[in-house]
Formats: sequence, C-alpha cells, structure tokens
Amino acid sequence: KAGVTQTPRYLIKTRGQQVTLSCSPISGHRSVSWYQQTPGQGLQFLFEYFSETQRNKGNFPGRFSGRQFSNSRSEMNVSTLELGDSALYLCASRGLQGPNTEAFFGQGTRLTVV
Amino acid sequence: KQEVTQIPAALSVPEGENLVLNCSFTDSAIYNLQWFRQDPGKGLTSLLLIQSSQREQTSGRLNASLDKSSGRSTLYIAASQPGDSATYLCAVTEGAQKLVFGQGTRLTINP
Repeated sequence: KAGVTQTPRYLIKTRGQQVTLSCSPISGHRSVSWYQQTPGQGLQFLFEYFSETQRNKGNFPGRFSGRQFSNSRSEMNVSTLELGDSALYLCASRGLQGPNTEAFFGQGTRLTVV
Repeated sequence: KQEVTQIPAALSVPEGENLVLNCSFTDSAIYNLQWFRQDPGKGLTSLLLIQSSQREQTSGRLNASLDKSSGRSTLYIAASQPGDSATYLCAVTEGAQKLVFGQGTRLTINP
C-alpha cells in the first residue's frame, strides 16, 4: 500500500512568484491536512480538507490556499512568495474514521524562496 | 489555545541506555496523542497513537503513556541504538483533525 506522496520534493522560487504543491493521500483516505515546518516556528497547521471541502484553517495569510479533488488528491498554492515562506511543507492523510485515526505524513516539499 | 511542550529539547546518551522523553499539553480536550520520529530533512514517521481513553501503547522497544487529566505523555525507549537518533515529536489531535505539535526532542545515541 503506497504511502502519502508529495511532489515535487524540492523547489526554488523567486520572491513574488507563486507555487503549487501536490499531495496524494493513502488510497482510501479522504482527509488531507497541510503543515508548514520552519526552524523558528516548528510545525504549524495550514488547513484540512475532507471530501473536497475545507473544514479547518490555521492562522496563515490569504496568500496560502488549497483545494482537494474528487480523488482526494490535494494541492496547496502560495501566491506572492516571501522569503519567510521558505520551509518544509508536509501533508498528512487520515482514514474515514476521522480524528481518532492515525495521521500519516509524506516526505514533504522543501521550498526555498530567494 | 492548545500548547504542547517537549522536554528536554535535546538529549545525548550512550548506546544501550533506556530513556524517557516528555510531552505536556495544556488542554485535555483531545482526541488522541501521537508520537512521531523525524530524520533530518525528511517527513514524519508515526511511532505510536494513543487514544484519549487509553493509558498506554507499546510497539517493540517503544512504550508511550498518556495521563490526560494531568496533560502529560511520556515516550520510553528501551535499549537505545544509534539508529534511534532522530528528532521525536509529540502531537495532540483536537477539533477538526488538527494536530498541534511540540517543538521536538533531538535525540543522539552515541555508539
């Protein structure tokens, strides 16, 4: 059974550009969450999607957005990139049983903004 | 607002020792607590999940306990090995499947 797959693994972008990251959850999982990891702030929750609906959103500016497709794959978009957006972006998926189930993470996308 | 704290921030021990990592949280209204391992530059690997109604979980050399009323969890690692060197993170699941993480404990096992 394949795990959570994130693409691309590495990205280098210039300030002001936009970027799209992709996450394919474990087969059968419909909940996908996104997290940002930086040395200073640690792991912070961005948003969570279930069945194509955003159910929860963290405290990030509107430049951060996401969506989920009917096959449960999710994308995260960051517009007008800033240097401070450089981070490891991780996504996690959970099974249908909801919050009582184990969260499984992908390998992450390392975004560097120059 | 939920806050998760992990102590110590870093730990270095010789191979073969048993060790305990600590995690505390401020709001006991959680679904569960999960321990993860993270190797440098990599994603998170789930180690153990403890439901809010459970007291402990075991997997191989790992044992995690949960005392929800006092807001504490411990991860016990028996007979540590150099391959156990990594950052260990605890996280609680609260409303709408949001994970709130501690800052992690960076563990080094010296051969």
